[in-house]
Amino acid sequence: QVDLVESGGGVVQPGRSLRLSCAASGFTFSGFAVHWVRQAPGRGLEWVAVISYDGSFKKYADSVKGRFIISRDNSKNTLFLQMNNLRPEDTALYYCAKDASGFGEVYFDSWGPGTLVTVSS
Amino acid sequence: AIRMTQSPSSFSASTGDRVTISCRASQDINTYLAWYQQKPGKAPKLLIYAASTLQSGVPSRFSGSGSGTDFTLTISSLQSEDFATYYCQQYYTYPRTFGQGTKVEIK
Repeated sequence: QVDLVESGGGVVQPGRSLRLSCAASGFTFSGFAVHWVRQAPGRGLEWVAVISYDGSFKKYADSVKGRFIISRDNSKNTLFLQMNNLRPEDTALYYCAKDASGFGEVYFDSWGPGTLVTVSS
Repeated sequence: AIRMTQSPSSFSASTGDRVTISCRASQDINTYLAWYQQKPGKAPKLLIYAASTLQSGVPSRFSGSGSGTDFTLTISSLQSEDFATYYCQQYYTYPRTFGQGTKVEIK
């Protein structure tokens, strides 16, 4: 049974940084790409970033490019999202989602429950 | 970026109804389309991928169709547990993009 659990969310001031984590279990984490997807309060889903199974491929949404960094530690079955220079519009529930492929080529077949990030002064 | 447009944005239906949700892509995405269901306070759940392939464990009352730019999610007989918001998503290219969602409410 695939299990993804995000952590690290909280309230942060604009311009500050935050690091999210996603602990994975129940599958071979090192074999699959994983994504971050966010959802602002009362809004729809927005894809944020992807990293391939080995970390060799990374892609970002334009809205976070240059500010967010996705990474993974396969030895600890953990995905990360380093969020720098945060803006109020980054306020959202952040989900990690498992891709059904190793290079992030397809759909998201499992999701975590999310961690809430609030950017406010 | 490929724009995904769903219609309607919301509607009311009754248990037992046959319901259809449409999704249109701003360019040809072949069948690289997935549908997700999201209930309040919960993470999205994959229902259908490759436009028409049912994810394991998803009830057979759900079905998907379409290719190119026009797609449809159909629920053949709406059940109480199906009242939720549904999203389409293209995985033809990056950035991955979602439709704005269709909320199915109880009439």
